[in-house]
Amino acid sequence: DTAVSQTPKYLVTQMGNDKSIKCEQNLGHDTMYWYKQDSKKFLKIMFSYNNKELIINETVPNRFSPKSPDKAHLNLHINSLELGDSAVYFCASSQTGHYQPQHFGDGTRLSIL
Amino acid sequence: GESVGLHLPTLSVQEGDNSIINCAYSNSASDYFIWYKQESGKGPQFIIDIRSNMDKRQGQRVTVLLNKTVKHLSLQIAATQPGDSAVYFCAETAGNSGYSTLTFGKGTMLLVSP
Repeated sequence: DTAVSQTPKYLVTQMGNDKSIKCEQNLGHDTMYWYKQDSKKFLKIMFSYNNKELIINETVPNRFSPKSPDKAHLNLHINSLELGDSAVYFCASSQTGHYQPQHFGDGTRLSIL
Repeated sequence: GESVGLHLPTLSVQEGDNSIINCAYSNSASDYFIWYKQESGKGPQFIIDIRSNMDKRQGQRVTVLLNKTVKHLSLQIAATQPGDSAVYFCAETAGNSGYSTLTFGKGTMLLVSP
């Protein structure tokens, strides 16, 4: 009955590799997001999709490519991984609308060796 | 451990005390605010929200106060319990579109001793 679920929970890989993180929500929301949380716990928005369309891209390197096959899924593909990509990545979802709280998954901890 | 090198502001309280966590925001156009709780290994969990047309909102054991004049937000937790130990974030959003981008504060770690 998990509302926002991400896989995998942990991802350990080497520099230069390509990896994907998947996210699914069963809340019936039509807006989904990716956030990055650094080692100091600072959370920053990366992308937002509404009904499969990209609406926010916060100057993230184009090595990061989100894809939304339908409004319940938002996956994140990362090419040519770098050491600085090590972080916890969170997926979130909300209803469309300004006064709508976002609901988060439990994160994917990405470690680059 | 996970907290090595982590220099979050920390509030230490005894079980049963009331806790107050503060947050300053900078965008005077922000009109919607949310408090989140993040436990170790978990994602941020929604606690309570408030719109800018309100000064105070109460939930179960929690109260959020908003002072727009000084751009300050606080979260009060009554009768704090060990299970309240977590990192607490305030988040704000502004804008008149249907899409809200949350800007998160730096977080405060709450430690509750039995």
